[in-house]
Amino acid sequence: EVPLAESGGGLVKPGGSLRLSCAASGITFNNAWLTWVRQAPGKGLEWVGRIKTKTAGGTTDYAAPVTNRFTISRDDSKHTLYLQMNNLKTEDTALYYCTTVNWKGHFDYWGQGTLVTVSS
Amino acid sequence: NFMLTQPHSVSESPGKTVTISCTRSSGSIASSYVQWYQQRPDSAPTTVIYEASQRPSGVPDRFSGSIDRSSNSASLTIAGLKTEDEADYYCQSYDDTTLFVFGTGTKVTVL
Repeated sequence: EVPLAESGGGLVKPGGSLRLSCAASGITFNNAWLTWVRQAPGKGLEWVGRIKTKTAGGTTDYAAPVTNRFTISRDDSKHTLYLQMNNLKTEDTALYYCTTVNWKGHFDYWGQGTLVTVSS
Repeated sequence: NFMLTQPHSVSESPGKTVTISCTRSSGSIASSYVQWYQQRPDSAPTTVIYEASQRPSGVPDRFSGSIDRSSNSASLTIAGLKTEDEADYYCQSYDDTTLFVFGTGTKVTVL
């Protein structure tokens, strides 16, 4: 059973916004550091951003291409991770995965991904 | 910032051995853990090696990982190649400045 399930992908115009969700089950969500990773069609994996646990400050970090446009948040009561994407560009078109990441930098659980297409 | 460079593709016959390299552009390859992920078509990545040389449960011992400080690279070796090993493979590492980095990816073809 896959413990992570993404949703919210779709078609959006350049400059538009979209919010992705990732629902977790079967993992200790409150203790999990979480990330978003994306994969453009036919391309490799690209890390997007990370959010730490509340006890570690709940701080976020982002890859340079999405800084100031994307925001990661979490709702521990709902076991859900979010990715708010604003000012979307065509180059943001990708399959977006949510993952857990441990303190050794290992992405240990992955969802199945949700597709975001940015096109006019 | 650093990058991880992999060969674009490797191919070999069933039963043979392939080795995929992952070269770090700056900083020591040994300074942080290296993972290897397998991605079959239309599937999410899964871990085949973590912390440079550890195999998750369920991954065959035909998969092994190592670090070579002299070439500043990590390697994934697949012995006794099977058709089911045909996939894309990505190395991945981390540092406090660049944070998370994936390798460029290698397509493994079983002839």
